[in-house]
Amino acid sequence: GENVEQHPSTLSVQEGDSAVIKCTYSDSASNYFPWYKQELGKGPQLIIDIRSNVGEKKDQRIAVTLNKTAKHFSLHITETQPEDSAVYFCAASTAGSYQLTFGKGTKLSVIP
Amino acid sequence: EAEVAQSPRYKITEKSQAVAFWCDPISGHATLYWYRQILGQGPELLVQFQDESVVDDSQLPKDRFSAERLKGVDSTLKIQPAELGDSAMYLCASSPGGQYTDTQYFGPGTRLTVL
Repeated sequence: GENVEQHPSTLSVQEGDSAVIKCTYSDSASNYFPWYKQELGKGPQLIIDIRSNVGEKKDQRIAVTLNKTAKHFSLHITETQPEDSAVYFCAASTAGSYQLTFGKGTKLSVIP
Repeated sequence: EAEVAQSPRYKITEKSQAVAFWCDPISGHATLYWYRQILGQGPELLVQFQDESVVDDSQLPKDRFSAERLKGVDSTLKIQPAELGDSAMYLCASSPGGQYTDTQYFGPGTRLTVL
């Protein structure tokens, strides 16, 4: 089955700096890659996603890039703000199963 | 904005007791998922429904866990008897179907503590 590795496990940045979280996946048949933000005591919130026919996608301060050849994808957050502090999860889904396999998460701390 | 509803938000029980969690997906979403999230880890799929039918329950510990979605709308996940190792966050998610069947929206979860 699919295996998703996520790095780093913790990340601290100064407010206004950029943050990058990286994930690799094992199943070349995976074609959908969402990112979730989870605040303490809450459920994961979908913040951005990308499909395998696209190399990059942006939404305001958030962007995701996908390299299908290397089987890795990354989340980029620019101009970080204290409210960006949370745990971020990447996931991958294989066509037909619609089931998500999650990484272990990255705890992002934005220091004011 | 439509959301997935879950109740209760928190549940404390003693081992060997029965517990049940309820989920109401976003209106019109045919696919419903139950996940378990252990503290410090990502969610892991327990069961997937398409309408009222189970698509995949291969990761559901069937000796003690059961899930149903009788009318293809809301769903219940039950644990009987609960064990100490069941302490976790139980998350429900739903998908709109069609070309976005893999896009999942999560509810707030039920935090279970087994004493």
